[in-house]
Amino acid sequence: GENVEQHPSTLSVQEGDSAVIKCTYSDSASNYFPWYKQELGKRPQLIIDIRSNVGEKKDQRIAVTLNKTAKHFSLHITETQPEDSAVYFCASQSGTYKYIFGTGTRLKVLA
Amino acid sequence: ETGVTQTPRHLVMGMTNKKSLKCEQHLGHNAMYWYKQSAKKPLELMFVYNFKEQTENNSVPSRFSPECPNSSHLFLHLHTLQPEDSALYLCASSQVGGGAQGYTFGSGTRLTVV
Repeated sequence: GENVEQHPSTLSVQEGDSAVIKCTYSDSASNYFPWYKQELGKRPQLIIDIRSNVGEKKDQRIAVTLNKTAKHFSLHITETQPEDSAVYFCASQSGTYKYIFGTGTRLKVLA
Repeated sequence: ETGVTQTPRHLVMGMTNKKSLKCEQHLGHNAMYWYKQSAKKPLELMFVYNFKEQTENNSVPSRFSPECPNSSHLFLHLHTLQPEDSALYLCASSQVGGGAQGYTFGSGTRLTVV
């Protein structure tokens, strides 16, 4: 069936460094790829998304890249700050509106 | 408040109890979802409702019974649950049509089955 693989499962970086989280999807028909941030005890919140007709999208310190041929997409966070510490989930749209989520990456930004 | 409200926030129930989770969205969305979030597992899709009609049941055991009386409200009725059903249950909504958009999640109900 359709699935999304996400790596790494945990990531620790020093404050100010960059963090990269990678996802691979299986459904070649997927055309929408959102990223969610979930802080401890809180709801997942959409932080950035990308559609299949775009290769890269940036929003301040956050960027997402998409390689449709390889079925890879990645989240890049630059100049990390302690408040970036959270669990990040990638997802791919499968079908009209159903999303398949990755297993999550726990990011720790060390001060 | 993001526009998707879930109640209760926490629920402890015995295996013989019957309880219901409630979700309400104030965003004018036309699709609503139930997800289960367990430790060290991906978010698992349980049910999808589009315009009040159930369009997906992701092989969920019958001890979970969804209800969608209108496009703003979604319930998850629980009965004779098992301890392994303990998890965070998240409701989400989205607008279907006009291009894909992200979900808006509720805060979730932390369910503990004893």
